[in-house]
Amino acid sequence: DAGITQSPRHKVTETGTPVTLRCHQTENHRYMYWYRQDPGHGLRLIHYSYGVKDTDKGEVSDGYSVSRSKTEDFLLTLESATSSQTSVYFCAIRTGTVHSPLHFGNGTRLTVT
Amino acid sequence: AQSVSQHNHHVILSEAASLELGCNYSYGGTVNLFWYVQYPGQHLQLLLKYFSGDPLVKGIKGFEAEFIKSKFSFNLRKPSVQWSDTAEYFCAVNADNTGKLIFGQGTTLQVKP
Repeated sequence: DAGITQSPRHKVTETGTPVTLRCHQTENHRYMYWYRQDPGHGLRLIHYSYGVKDTDKGEVSDGYSVSRSKTEDFLLTLESATSSQTSVYFCAIRTGTVHSPLHFGNGTRLTVT
Repeated sequence: AQSVSQHNHHVILSEAASLELGCNYSYGGTVNLFWYVQYPGQHLQLLLKYFSGDPLVKGIKGFEAEFIKSKFSFNLRKPSVQWSDTAEYFCAVNADNTGKLIFGQGTTLQVKP
């Protein structure tokens, strides 16, 4: 267990509302990632962070923003949720070198109605 | 851009049958390769990884994968599947120094008892 907690685990929200998902780690790892999982698409990277206040975009970053003000927390925000953002969101951390695998949290299932 | 392709989207096998799931990637340089498994309702767990050396990699639960550089492939195998192997399987590649993984679309494996 890599000490990753995602919250909330489930959320239902309406189109147009802002939503923030939280990823918390207990081990002070530098690299953190947000992915979304959709049938037929596998996991796609939204944003990632390589340190406090250091973030970069992934392949599906439109409509999402992130913040990392502390090493242990990586927040994903949907400024104005859309139905296309209904998905399962996974946070991941890298615990070792650049060659290391990622360790994933339990996911947040988000439904936008 | 790097990409990963998994040829089999849905595989149905009987217990004790042999398994091979295909994975091809597009990057021509040095790569690190991974297979993850996701049991129903759970997060992704690492099955095995390839960094360098012996192209035949053994993982947990009797799984193995073979890296064939000339074919840009990293196929997953298991000689005899069990009902408990029912899950979704993802191939992933890491080809830069950010640690981010590019995932294939996933293969759903259903094992009939």
